[in-house]
Amino acid sequence: ETGVTQTPRHLVMGMTNKKSLKCEQHLGHNAMYWYKQSAKKPLELMFVYNFKEQTENNSVPSRFSPECPNSSHLFLHLHTLQPEDSALYLCASSQPDRDSNEQFFGPGTRLTVL
Amino acid sequence: GDSVTQMEGPVTLSEEAFLTINCTYTATGYPSLFWYVQYPGEGLQLLLKATKADDKGSNKGFEATYRKETTSFHLEKGSVQVSDSAVYFCALKDRGSQGNLIFGKGTKLSVKP
Repeated sequence: ETGVTQTPRHLVMGMTNKKSLKCEQHLGHNAMYWYKQSAKKPLELMFVYNFKEQTENNSVPSRFSPECPNSSHLFLHLHTLQPEDSALYLCASSQPDRDSNEQFFGPGTRLTVL
Repeated sequence: GDSVTQMEGPVTLSEEAFLTINCTYTATGYPSLFWYVQYPGEGLQLLLKATKADDKGSNKGFEATYRKETTSFHLEKGSVQVSDSAVYFCALKDRGSQGNLIFGKGTKLSVKP
């Protein structure tokens, strides 16, 4: 198993749909992250979970709802999205008690909202 | 607050040219510094890192030296290849923080044969 996996890799949804993105890490890490990467914009940190507890929510609209049932899995539930939410959504994990806190990224889910 | 500033791209080079991508940072403490690379259609991968002043990170022919006096962590490679075409991100993690990384905006590199 590769370190951090994300499914699906591509998703097209209408504005009224409900879908979920899944992330799984096989590295034994205790922190997981959701990032949004839009064209021509900096990488945006959305949510951070440490030991399954959400420790950061960077003013993300409520149409994005994260869930972290255990340290290995992270979900991003999507509902009533807008076309401007189309982006690459990246998941990452790390071991925060290590000094360098290197983050390992998944390949991302390319989301298109019609 | 902490921040990372990278040179604006895109950068276009011919194969075997010398590469420098500038990165400077602002931090209250003594951060760890990173370069990540994102190849087309993929997520970010750690390229190299340095955790204290004067450390040199290196990998795949790329190097960067942690310069505390100039608060810089410039990425260099002596001879680029077409396969190095990607987006490069400089990032920092402040010691004692939760561990969240702060990323620069990324610099797109295109290498022509």
